Amino acid sequence: AQSVTQLDSQVPVFEEAPVELRCNYSSSVSVYLFWYVQYPNQGLQLLLKYLSGSTLVKGINGFEAEFNKSQTSFHLRKPSVHISDTAEYFCAVTLYMDTGRRALTFGSGTRLQVQP
Amino acid sequence: DAGVTQSPTHLIKTRGQQVTLRCSPKSGHDTVSWYQQALGQGPQFIFQYYEEEERQRGNFPDRFSGHQFPNYSSELNVNALLLGDSALYLCASSPGAGRSTEAFFGQGTRLTVV
Repeated sequence: AQSVTQLDSQVPVFEEAPVELRCNYSSSVSVYLFWYVQYPNQGLQLLLKYLSGSTLVKGINGFEAEFNKSQTSFHLRKPSVHISDTAEYFCAVTLYMDTGRRALTFGSGTRLQVQP
Repeated sequence: DAGVTQSPTHLIKTRGQQVTLRCSPKSGHDTVSWYQQALGQGPQFIFQYYEEEERQRGNFPDRFSGHQFPNYSSELNVNALLLGDSALYLCASSPGAGRSTEAFFGQGTRLTVV
């Protein structure tokens, strides 16, 4: 079975500073990788996804992530954060299987707190 | 496009009661998955429905059951509620086999068991 570890439960950062949210996964087979964001009292919104091809993936709101197969990591980065980026961020994996019908395994989340 | 809609948004139930949560998928989506998100944790997969049948199931007891209707909407039922069932319940829809890799989530139903 696959699993996801988000190494930091909280990441405080000042506005306009860069940030990296770490994600490591474990799986014996190929996986798809995702980052989702959750604002207070809301559902999950997809930031970006890695399926295949280029290991550097760009997403919405200026976020990007890099897939590293040898280190089984998929860290999320943003060069300059805004107050509005304050939210909970979840890394998720799913097995390389039937497209469109997949169960996601989520990490425990990282709370990004952007301070003025 | 209304996206994924869930009802109700909030619900308070007493231990031992039963509850039904509802989900309407995004237009054009035929697959619905349910997740439980306890406070301070990531979502956990409960089960998935398409073609009106349960297709995959996570590690949840039989007290959790579901249904999918011909219009692809879905219900999640939980019997004999426990305090530990208090959580945000998320519904996600996807377009089905071979069509997309993205699941769209609803706003969730916040269930409180007292």
